[in-house]
Amino acid sequence: AQKVTQAQTEISVVEKEDVTLDCVYETRDTTYYLFWYKQPPSGELVFLIRRNSFDEQNEISGRYSWNFQKSTSSFNFTITASQVVDSAVYFCALSGYTSGTYKYIFGTGTRLKVLA
Amino acid sequence: NAGVTQTPKFQVLKTGQSMTLQCAQDMNHEYMSWYRQDPGMGLRLIHYSVGAGITDQGEVPNGYNVSRSTTEDFPLRLLSAAPSQTSVYFCASSSISSGRNYNEQFFGPGTRLTVL
Repeated sequence: AQKVTQAQTEISVVEKEDVTLDCVYETRDTTYYLFWYKQPPSGELVFLIRRNSFDEQNEISGRYSWNFQKSTSSFNFTITASQVVDSAVYFCALSGYTSGTYKYIFGTGTRLKVLA
Repeated sequence: NAGVTQTPKFQVLKTGQSMTLQCAQDMNHEYMSWYRQDPGMGLRLIHYSVGAGITDQGEVPNGYNVSRSTTEDFPLRLLSAAPSQTSVYFCASSSISSGRNYNEQFFGPGTRLTVL
């Protein structure tokens, strides 16, 4: 079965600190995709990144970086020099075909509070 | 491109009432899904569809029905509303066959439902 675990329910940091959000996944699929989404206080869900299971290269986009390690089934998200605008709930998600059925599931989310 | 649209944005129901949450997308996406979001529970999959005429249950399907008669529309029906169905509901769609945004879920703005 597919599963996504975000063990950190809530994290508080002071502005300019670096913060890492953890995501651990379980799947039996050999081909799958991992995602991160952001949900700011306004409530909409914003896509941040997609990674397929064959691409373990880390990715950096501005202050955001992602570390994908198949060996530990983890897809962690780091924000460097955090800002108040980064305050949001962040969701990790997994998609793939399980038992011939395509599914897309989310973790329970990590609420990040960046304090000025 | 309107993306994913949901109506209504807010709804209050009494226990036992029925209603339909509407969802439409104009991106010709095969995959459409409904999630509910409750505090501390993340996004839980209710029902999903991989194409017109094909639907399947997610994690929490009880009390909800869906149908997919066209590629564009994926309504969610509550047959007899219960207070436990008080939640924020998100509809999403994605391409699962090809394209630049392959596998990225596009979300609607959400429907906040209260059942008294």
